[in-house]
Amino acid sequence: AQKVTQAQTEISVVEKEDVTLDCVYETRDTTYYLFWYKQPPSGELVFLIRRNSFDEQNEISGRYSWNFQKSTSSFNFTITASQVVDSAVYFCALRGYSGAGSYQLTFGKGTKLSVIP
Amino acid sequence: DTAVSQTPKYLVTQMGNDKSIKCEQNLGHDTMYWYKQDSKKFLKIMFSYNNKELIINETVPNRFSPKSPDKAHLNLHINSLELGDSAVYFCASSHGTPNTEAFFGQGTRLTVV
Repeated sequence: AQKVTQAQTEISVVEKEDVTLDCVYETRDTTYYLFWYKQPPSGELVFLIRRNSFDEQNEISGRYSWNFQKSTSSFNFTITASQVVDSAVYFCALRGYSGAGSYQLTFGKGTKLSVIP
Repeated sequence: DTAVSQTPKYLVTQMGNDKSIKCEQNLGHDTMYWYKQDSKKFLKIMFSYNNKELIINETVPNRFSPKSPDKAHLNLHINSLELGDSAVYFCASSHGTPNTEAFFGQGTRLTVV
């Protein structure tokens, strides 16, 4: 069974502050894949990043960075110098083997980030 | 040139009606999904289709039935709609390998009155 936990339901920050969104996962698979998606107020789901379980290198993309730590089963997401446009619900997701040749994508419950100007 | 498109975007209907939501992807993916997002934003997978075969069917009422006429389409039929079916339904697609992301449609907001 797979599980993704995003303990922070809602976070509010003032513009230009840094913010970290936490994600903890559970899986029995040795190979799995982690994702972050963004859902802005307009409602669409936007893919942000994918990380393989065997690649623990952190990644930085502009103001976004991701910290994958297999030892603590965490895949945290940091936004540096937050902007109002970052306001959205952010979902962490795990894709692992779910039997019968399929790989199910399991989502956390999301963290709603509000960036206040 | 939308990658995953679903129609309609909004659907308001009365209890007891039957309705369909259409989904098409032009990404050449071989796996398509339907997700339900409830009022608390929780995303739950409903169905997954790989090469026109249902491979995941979570505990979804049998009033919901996916129909895939071909690899590029996965439509969702809902019979005897209930108030609790009100939600946003997302179609998605991906390659069949696990190391690929899923791309989502814009969602269909279903309101049952």
